[in-house]
Amino acid sequence: DTGVSQNPRHKITKRGQNVTFRCDPISEHNRLYWYRQTLGQGPEFLTYFQNEAQLEKSRLLSDRFSAERPKGSFSTLEIQRTEQGDSAMYLCASSPGQGEFFFGPGTRLTVL
Amino acid sequence: GENVEQHPSTLSVQEGDSAVIKCTYSDSASNYFPWYKQELGKRPQLIIDIRSNVGEKKDQRIAVTLNKTAKHFSLHITETQPEDSAVYFCAASGGTYKYIFGTGTRLKVLA
Repeated sequence: DTGVSQNPRHKITKRGQNVTFRCDPISEHNRLYWYRQTLGQGPEFLTYFQNEAQLEKSRLLSDRFSAERPKGSFSTLEIQRTEQGDSAMYLCASSPGQGEFFFGPGTRLTVL
Repeated sequence: GENVEQHPSTLSVQEGDSAVIKCTYSDSASNYFPWYKQELGKRPQLIIDIRSNVGEKKDQRIAVTLNKTAKHFSLHITETQPEDSAVYFCAASGGTYKYIFGTGTRLKVLA
């Protein structure tokens, strides 16, 4: 499968715990994005990278969220001290630049 | 800030009829406008896109129109079929390469 992949696909955690998600983009894509989607809503922008540089981070993203793309390939999204409001689908996407934008299957987070 | 508004939020049509979904964007630098279809429990999938140098694009039963002056673009689905039932999202992207999505339209095609 040469598409965007994400792991894990599902994560259930207790409030206050830290979680980390991984995204592997399409190999030749230099742009990588993280979005959050709650039921009935459109994908909400969190942050994006061009190669290893994090170019923008949403103002909605609290300091409990951090993302990295250390070698310009895969990326990780960490949420510290999870809250019930963090429960959502976390979508990763990649793009070769200005153009088509491909989503991964997402990681569904449930915070109990 | 950047914003994309999408209407209607829900749309029901009879099989064979046409469906139209409209979006308005705020960032005048936006120059790429994709549309995504999301089925229940699945990732959004790109179905058609249009760039700012084009006013209309068609792919079989799906077409997209763009009015840059008014900052709005629309998705048109003709001869709707039950398998067209899904949530549709518009998006806009500009010089920052950030994609801003609309809130979605739940389309139901009634057999």
